[in-house]
Amino acid sequence: SQQGEEDPQALSIQEGENATMNCSYKTSINNLQWYRQNSGRGLVHLILIRSNEREKHSGRLRVTLDTSKKSSSLLITASRAADTASYFCATAYQAGTALIFGKGTTLSVSS
Amino acid sequence: DAGVTQSPTHLIKTRGQQVTLRCSPKSGHDTVSWYQQALGQGPQFIFQYYEEEERQRGNFPDRFSGHQYPNYSSELNVNALLLGDSALYLCASSSVLAGVFTGELFFGEGSRLTVL
Repeated sequence: SQQGEEDPQALSIQEGENATMNCSYKTSINNLQWYRQNSGRGLVHLILIRSNEREKHSGRLRVTLDTSKKSSSLLITASRAADTASYFCATAYQAGTALIFGKGTTLSVSS
Repeated sequence: DAGVTQSPTHLIKTRGQQVTLRCSPKSGHDTVSWYQQALGQGPQFIFQYYEEEERQRGNFPDRFSGHQYPNYSSELNVNALLLGDSALYLCASSSVLAGVFTGELFFGEGSRLTVL
């Protein structure tokens, strides 16, 4: 079963625009993570936000977490063609428990 | 520093056969998790190994089994293959420091299994 649900399922933008993806989950969590996957290859960790944090930044990435709404968002600023990939949110109920992934958002950035 | 390595990268089997997939974790990591990813879907958690024992298991039948060796490498075995087992199988490693799971998973490139 999948804990998180990303929205939208697919997103197409132009280079230079910002991309926002949302993730909703069902139960309380210890942390929420975002991963990126290029064309059916392995996933790459982007950022981890803990349940007591509200916002984190990493380069062009900004992640927010609203535990009251059980939701998170990933913002990629100034998108590049190389950002074209699938993005997944993943949640852990407790530290050390298995990460449960959503179905992902497919981002397409055209030049 | 070698990352997570998986073998084989691709394989084709027929229904009813058995398959073994292998994974070597990132240097310094002691925990291995296995995921199944069907086309167009997110990864589904199969199980996690730590200290050579299965610590957690997802909603997969007993046909799916695993093993972890003293050097932390791991195997995923699937018996009596079904067409629906066709998927990308991903191995991910992580570390436990002072009993605390660090959170981030490092993934291999996966083994793509096709069942005919």
